[in-house]
Amino acid sequence: GAGVSQSPSNKVTEKGKDVELRCDPISGHTALYWYRQRLGQGLEFLIYFQGNSAPDKSGLPSDRFSAERTGESVSTLTIQRTQQEDSAVYLCASSPGGNTIYFGEGSWLTVV
Amino acid sequence: GQNIDQPTEMTATEGAIVQINCTYQTSGFNGLFWYQQHAGEAPTFLSYNVLDGLEEKGRFSSFLSRSKGYSYLLLKELQMKDSASYLCAVRSTRSNDYKLSFGAGTTVTVRA
Repeated sequence: GAGVSQSPSNKVTEKGKDVELRCDPISGHTALYWYRQRLGQGLEFLIYFQGNSAPDKSGLPSDRFSAERTGESVSTLTIQRTQQEDSAVYLCASSPGGNTIYFGEGSWLTVV
Repeated sequence: GQNIDQPTEMTATEGAIVQINCTYQTSGFNGLFWYQQHAGEAPTFLSYNVLDGLEEKGRFSSFLSRSKGYSYLLLKELQMKDSASYLCAVRSTRSNDYKLSFGAGTTVTVRA
């Protein structure tokens, strides 16, 4: 597609359930990022991929969070045993390298 | 890591000028970015500064002083559609992974 695509756009889940969030980056973009944004707050870095490897996982908040990327394309962010504090919008971005990062519309997660 | 500070909120009148300041502390500096984010939407790229000075793009200008760890985004001839959150982001030379660290954002409200 023309831009970064994320799914689902909205997800409501019960506390304790696992969720998977998907990101389709712009074709050919080697770098892929996940950020989290809580309501009224700034973007919090979670993880970065270069190709299929993740040289920087420093932002993952706990071992309940994991991410993978395959085929130098699609990435999945998995949150296990969700907690209410996980409620946020999860933004994926991709970049061909250089000075521009393109964001998707985000996946809005609500844990009830 | 980086400390990035910007005001939480600003209000201005349609047709006026608003200046959003951003100060940062980083271990190595490799560029400063401004993004615009409308409520419920993805951030969109506005500007990039890596050298000291002013970059002008139509109604928007961005300034950088590396020695002072300071940037501002200037919005001229404000329009109602400029009501949004403006995010300052810094890239560090500590890693070469193009990771951006974001401030909490400044919510600008344009009044008629």
